[in-house]
Amino acid sequence: QVQLQESGPGLVKPSQTLSLSCTVSGDSISGSSYYWTWIRQPAGKGLEWLGRIYTTGSTIYNPSLKSRVTISVDTSKNQFSLKLRFVTAADSAVYYCARQAQGITNLKVTSYFDYWGQGTLVTVSS
Amino acid sequence: SSELTQDPAVSVALGQTVRLTCRGGSLRSYFASWYQQKPGQAPVLVIYDNNDRPSGIPDRFSASTSGNTASLTIAGAQAEDEANYYCNSRDSSGNHVFGTGTKVTVL
Repeated sequence: QVQLQESGPGLVKPSQTLSLSCTVSGDSISGSSYYWTWIRQPAGKGLEWLGRIYTTGSTIYNPSLKSRVTISVDTSKNQFSLKLRFVTAADSAVYYCARQAQGITNLKVTSYFDYWGQGTLVTVSS
Repeated sequence: SSELTQDPAVSVALGQTVRLTCRGGSLRSYFASWYQQKPGQAPVLVIYDNNDRPSGIPDRFSASTSGNTASLTIAGAQAEDEANYYCNSRDSSGNHVFGTGTKVTVL
């Protein structure tokens, strides 16, 4: 059974960098054909995709956050990480890591998030 | 635009059928996936590849796509289906977008 677990500080000061890690068990990031993704959800609001990374280190980021976000992978620890710079109160949210499957079905690209972490609440406040 | 629009809320009588919709230009080219989220919990994948269900998801959940609109149908809604539902798709650059979400109330 694939499991993901987020970890990191629950409180970050404005203008500083939010850093979270996601530890994967039940699957090997280095040997996997999946992508590894970060998603967040402000309190009472919807889901926002932040970006994803492949085992090779290839990344795609949400264009609205691209200048502030970095996702990296540590295959030796079977972890991937999120850094979000220059945070403000608007970055307060529950942050989820997830596994993303992607392929071709019936000649059409398919992409979905099949396993999620439980989420970790990050509050930006002084 | 890669935005995905959903109705904010729908209600359904216990045992009846409800259809949720998700509209966006990307759906003409890419499959939608659907997620169920209950309060205080992480989202759960309920539909992928347009109409496939992960193991453990009841067959009362089904989906379809026509043009720029994806639909999720819950046939014979149960009390435990009360939740927020989000659609998701991607664009040609690999960016992913979630729909605005629909709150389903089972009466």
